[in-house]
Amino acid sequence: QKEVEQDPGPLSVPEGAIVSLNCTYSNSAFQYFMWYRQYSRKGPELLMYTYSSGNKEDGRFTAQVDKSSKYISLFIRDSQPSDSATYLCAAGWGNKLVFGAGTILRVKS
Amino acid sequence: KAGVTQTPRYLIKTRGQQVTLSCSPISGHRSVSWYQQTPGQGLQFLFEYFSETQRNKGNFPGRFSGRQFSNSRSEMNVSTLELGDSALYLCASSLQPGGGQETQYFGPGTRLLVL
Repeated sequence: QKEVEQDPGPLSVPEGAIVSLNCTYSNSAFQYFMWYRQYSRKGPELLMYTYSSGNKEDGRFTAQVDKSSKYISLFIRDSQPSDSATYLCAAGWGNKLVFGAGTILRVKS
Repeated sequence: KAGVTQTPRYLIKTRGQQVTLSCSPISGHRSVSWYQQTPGQGLQFLFEYFSETQRNKGNFPGRFSGRQFSNSRSEMNVSTLELGDSALYLCASSLQPGGGQETQYFGPGTRLLVL
C-alpha cells in the first residue's frame, strides 16, 4: 500500500465548476501537507502548504486536511481552462516527503 | 531571478548505457533534491544534497548516484540503464535542506527514454 494514494483521473469538468481533488494517506506521523500543480512539460509548483487539520484558503483554492480520517482535499472554485494541469498532493514529517501519483484535471471551456 | 535549470531536457539511451543529468539551482540555493516521476509511481525521492554532501537518500538501487559541486550545481548519474529507468527526472532546489519543510522549486525536468 502506498503511503499517499491519489486517483490519477483524468477528471474533466466544465469551466466555472467547483473541483474537488482528494488524497488519502496511511502514515499518522505525517505533519505537513502540500498541493503542487504541474503543467505539461513543466516541473511541479507549490500551490498550498498546511500543517494542521482544517481549511486554508488562497484565492480560488482551498486546502482541507482531516487528520482523523487521513484525508487531504483541494477545492478549486470557478475553475478555468488555465487550471488544466496535474495536481499532486504530498505529505511529510521531518525530512521525509511523500507524493501522491497526481490527478490530471481538464477544465473545458 | 532565474529558476532551476536542467540539462538536457530530453535524452534517449539504450539499455546498459549510463547517463548523467545536470541541475543548476536557483542562485543562492544550496540544497538540491532529485526525484523520479513516472505515471504509475508518481514522484519518488532519489536523494538530497547540501553543501556537497548527501543528506538524504531514497529507496533506489546503487546504480543511481549523484554529487554536488561547490557552486551548488548537481549531477545525477544512472549506470547500466534499464527499461524501467525511463522517466522524467526532476531537480528541486531550496535555500536549506529539510525535505518538504523547506519550499522547493522544481526545474522542468529531463525526460529520459531507455530503449
